[in-house]
Amino acid sequence: KNEVEQSPQNLTAQEGEFITINCSYSVGISALHWLQQHPGGGIVSLFMLSSGKKKHGRLIATINIQEKHSSLHITASHPRDSAVYICAVRGNQFYFGTGTSLTVIP
Amino acid sequence: SQTIHQWPATLVQPVGSPLSLECTVEGTSNPNLYWYRQAAGRGLQLLFYSVGIGQISSEVPQNLSASRPQDRQFILSSKKLLLSDSGFYLCAWSTVSTDTQYFGPGTRLTVL
Repeated sequence: KNEVEQSPQNLTAQEGEFITINCSYSVGISALHWLQQHPGGGIVSLFMLSSGKKKHGRLIATINIQEKHSSLHITASHPRDSAVYICAVRGNQFYFGTGTSLTVIP
Repeated sequence: SQTIHQWPATLVQPVGSPLSLECTVEGTSNPNLYWYRQAAGRGLQLLFYSVGIGQISSEVPQNLSASRPQDRQFILSSKKLLLSDSGFYLCAWSTVSTDTQYFGPGTRLTVL
């Protein structure tokens, strides 16, 4: 059983669509991270959350500590958003989801 | 500004050969440093982390070792590579006060 589960595993969207990626975790955490991995492999940290909601441009991340759930939303999706999005949590160690592969079609 | 370097970018090594991957960070002092591996089709796995020179914690038992000879240098090594060591190796750093990690460009290792 994985400590961090993401859904969906794969997602294809039309440009402009609103996208939601979900992350559920089973351990106590001090923080949750959303990471973006580009096709070449490079990883960028998008958000670190411990409560509530954060917004950067078209990206919004929310977390519900009681339900042990987080969502990453992308508004007005664009082909350049195509990447793998990884949820990670910091408990007594780091746990990573296996990622959601997003493809945005023009 | 802070930057993180990893080299080499790609590496093909025979089974049984040694390995040394290097990671350096610029523009910050006393960072926390991390080595991750991403095997094909699998998620990220934390291999080692370091909170200071000479201080290394291993997350999983394996064929690899890590060292931190200088404050901003983190080295991943193996004496004898296995086929299962193939993967994408990422170095990352964070400050002591925050969990946000900044990743290097990665090294793609293929063991044949």
